[in-house]
Amino acid sequence: EPEVTQTPSHQVTQMGQEVILRCVPISNHLYFYWYRQILGQKVEFLVSFYNNEISEKSEIFDDQFSVERPDGSNFTLKIRSTKLEDSAMYFCASSEVGDYNSPLHFGNGTRLTVT
Amino acid sequence: GQNIDQPTEMTATEGAIVQINCTYQTSGFNGLFWYQQHAGEAPTFLSYNVLDGLEEKGRFSSFLSRSKGYSYLLLKELQMKDSASYLCAVRDDNGATNKLIFGTGTLLAVQP
Repeated sequence: EPEVTQTPSHQVTQMGQEVILRCVPISNHLYFYWYRQILGQKVEFLVSFYNNEISEKSEIFDDQFSVERPDGSNFTLKIRSTKLEDSAMYFCASSEVGDYNSPLHFGNGTRLTVT
Repeated sequence: GQNIDQPTEMTATEGAIVQINCTYQTSGFNGLFWYQQHAGEAPTFLSYNVLDGLEEKGRFSSFLSRSKGYSYLLLKELQMKDSASYLCAVRDDNGATNKLIFGTGTLLAVQP
C-alpha cells in the first residue's frame, strides 16, 4: 500500500538554526498538509497546500515557517529560526481529493528537538 | 470557534466492548473521522461518517448525529494491541483546504 514518507525521523537542532523537514506524499494525491504534535498534546493543523500554493494556514504558521513543493514528488516544511517551543513531532499528510470520504494519510513524522 | 471534546482516558478489558464519545462544535462540517495513534507513531485512519447513522468496519463501528454534534467509536472484542489513543477529527467544509481539526484524543488502556 502506498504511504507517505518523511525524513529525517529525528532532527536535533540548536535554537536559531534553520531546519528543513522533508516529505514524499502519496503519488496520486493532490492535497498536502503539515501538522504538528507537541508531546502529550493534540495534533494541530499548520498548513494545507493545493495546486502549488498554500490554501490555508493556521495562526501557528507564522513568517518563520514556509512550505515548498520543489519538484513533482517532494513537499518540504522549513523553519527559518527555530525556537525551543518548536520542539514537536511534525507530521506530513496527503489526501487524494478533497471530498468528505477522502481521509488524510499521515507519514511517520519527524521528531524535532530544539536545544 | 472550533471545539472537539473527548474523554482523556478510558480503561477496558480484553474481549470487551468500549465506546469512545466525541462531541463537536465547529464552524463548518464535511465529515467526521476517527484515527488510531500508538505512542510515538502516526495517526492511522479508522473510519469516517458524513451522514447520520452507524458505519461498521470489522471490529470497529462509528456513529454520527449531526444535529447533536456527536459521534462515537465502538470497539468490539478488544485486543491488547488496541491500547492506543483514538482521535476524533472534523473535516472543515472549506473546499480549498479540507483540513481535519483534531480533538485531544482518548487514551485507551486495554487490560487483561
